[in-house]
Amino acid sequence: AQSVSQHNHHVILSEAASLELGCNYSYGGTVNLFWYVQYPGQHLQLLLKYFSGDPLVKGIKGFEAEFIKSKFSFNLRKPSVQWSDTAEYFCAVGGVSGGYNKLIFGAGTRLAVHP
Amino acid sequence: DTGVSQDPRHKITKRGQNVTFRCDPISEHNRLYWYRQTLGQGPEFLTYFQNEAQLEKSRLLSDRFSAERPKGSFSTLEIQRTEQGDSAMYLCASSLEWTGKVESTNEKLFFGSGTQLSVL
Repeated sequence: AQSVSQHNHHVILSEAASLELGCNYSYGGTVNLFWYVQYPGQHLQLLLKYFSGDPLVKGIKGFEAEFIKSKFSFNLRKPSVQWSDTAEYFCAVGGVSGGYNKLIFGAGTRLAVHP
Repeated sequence: DTGVSQDPRHKITKRGQNVTFRCDPISEHNRLYWYRQTLGQGPEFLTYFQNEAQLEKSRLLSDRFSAERPKGSFSTLEIQRTEQGDSAMYLCASSLEWTGKVESTNEKLFFGSGTQLSVL
């Protein structure tokens, strides 16, 4: 069965700390991988995506993620977090065939960054 | 605002009542999706429209749920005989049809702010 697992439900960091959020997936076939972010009071928005090519993808606001096929992982990283990164982060996987019309999301990780 | 809009933002209803939500996608987007999100979980896929055609429905969508997109523009999601377990955030998203090109931005999903349903 297709699934996405996010290892941490809550993460608390101080500003300037490094961030790594884990994401593992189970999916038969070629996958597209995504990280979405939801800032407090706002809608979900795309942070970054991987379709093919360089497994290290860079997104907005200094975030990056690395696709490791052998580990079925797509971890999100940021070298130095800011208070404004406080949000909920969702990893998602979608199929290639016919587009990605059915994303499967993980349960999300709530990140709180303290000044 | 040219994003995806959903109405209402909040809906409180009594068990057994019917409710209807509306989603207005970004105007040029031909694909529309409904997701449901409960507390502590990520969004779960409910159904998908390409233009006016409903092409996929999740098993989560029981017979009490019906979605329409009559003219390929806005969509409605109706829940009949609501149950307490229907309490959730109902999210709508839209996108342009995927062109198959990695460089394309057409595959990006744009989400609305959702409708929070509380069934008492």
